[in-house]
Amino acid sequence: AQSVTQLDSQVPVFEEAPVELRCNYSSSVSVYLFWYVQYPNQGLQLLLKYLSGSTLVESINGFEAEFNKSQTSFHLRKPSVHISDTAEYFCAVSGKGAQKLVFGQGTRLTINP
Amino acid sequence: NAGVTQTPKFQVLKTGQSMTLQCAQDMNHEYMSWYRQDPGMGLRLIHYSVGAGITDQGEVPNGYNVSRSTTEDFPLRLLSAAPSQTSVYFCASSYQAGPYEQYFGPGTRLTVT
Repeated sequence: AQSVTQLDSQVPVFEEAPVELRCNYSSSVSVYLFWYVQYPNQGLQLLLKYLSGSTLVESINGFEAEFNKSQTSFHLRKPSVHISDTAEYFCAVSGKGAQKLVFGQGTRLTINP
Repeated sequence: NAGVTQTPKFQVLKTGQSMTLQCAQDMNHEYMSWYRQDPGMGLRLIHYSVGAGITDQGEVPNGYNVSRSTTEDFPLRLLSAAPSQTSVYFCASSYQAGPYEQYFGPGTRLTVT
């Protein structure tokens, strides 16, 4: 079975500051890793994913995440945030061959002007 | 494409009542799933389906039933509503289980009094 821990429930930052949202996972098999974003009063949408190959993956809006197998982590980073990045971010893991996607508890990112 | 649609958007039930949350997708996806979202707990998988006629339990299946008679539809039935089922419910679909992006509906906010 897989599990995910998001280490921060809330992260407040100032606009144009860098941010890191932390995610650690547990699994006895190889995994696929995902970050989903939920804007206020909406469903979730995929931000980026790691399946295999390069451990650094990027989204179209400037976020990136790095798969670290030895530390079982998949932290999400952005060098300069914008007000429009205000949302809740969910890390998720699926074991290869598994049929379930397991989500973390979510991190609420709040951007202050 | 409408993507994933859910009805109703809001619902208030009394304890003991039953109801069905509707979910439909028009992307010909094999995999569909139901999650509930509660503050501080992320998304938890209720039931999922890997194709028409095939369903299985997720992390929190008690009190809920599902069926998948067509590829497009995946209704969630609450048999006898309880206050503990007050939550936001999301339906999602993907091409298959595993490495594929899940597409989420807009959610149903359910209150049980």
